[in-house]
Amino acid sequence: GQQLNQSPQSMFIQEGEDVSMNCTSSSIFNTWLWYKQDPGEGPVLLIALYKAGELTSNGRLTAQFGITRKDSFLNISASIPSDVGIYFCAGQGHSGGGADGLTFGKGTHLIIQP
Amino acid sequence: DGGITQSPKYLFRKEGQNVTLSCEQNLNHDAMYWYRQDPGQGLRLIYYSQIVNDFQKGDIAEGYSVSREKKESFPLTVTSAQKNPTAFYLCASSYTGAYQPQHFGDGTRLSIL
Repeated sequence: GQQLNQSPQSMFIQEGEDVSMNCTSSSIFNTWLWYKQDPGEGPVLLIALYKAGELTSNGRLTAQFGITRKDSFLNISASIPSDVGIYFCAGQGHSGGGADGLTFGKGTHLIIQP
Repeated sequence: DGGITQSPKYLFRKEGQNVTLSCEQNLNHDAMYWYRQDPGQGLRLIYYSQIVNDFQKGDIAEGYSVSREKKESFPLTVTSAQKNPTAFYLCASSYTGAYQPQHFGDGTRLSIL
């Protein structure tokens, strides 16, 4: 199947620092999504990106859909303790029908030191 | 409240036994999905269904079966043919059509006795 390369695998930062993570793919996706997962729970949607080059913000989160459709990044500004968790990127396929399964990266584990 | 409900939260399977994981949604979504998550890994697609009485295999369908008799329900059966069933199973749903993100339940953790 398709592969998404997500980096970094983990991040240890100080509270208040900015965070940046990214995903790249060898395949083109029509949609890029960013999710956050807390232990023992399902992923929660943070940001959805639908157009190449699109830059979207959600509070302290900003994400961009790469112009080539093969990459995306997520930035978190001024991190706070509740930002701790695992962040996943996900790409959705080629049909544009919106009901295809997602391809996930392996996640970025964010750890914040007080 | 509208949402996706997975049950049970924890499930134990004996060798050679089939088990069924429940997923119910009251969001009026047409499409439903099952994913498997292993420790330190991303989610991998098992099966998905875009409409009642129809479903498609995902990337890792072997050893699993599903049914979609009702719009609200998409149960997953982990059969004895699945030799490594220990994982966290996540159900998701969405509207069909472009620009419709998937939303997830809180998962079922399956372990082997």
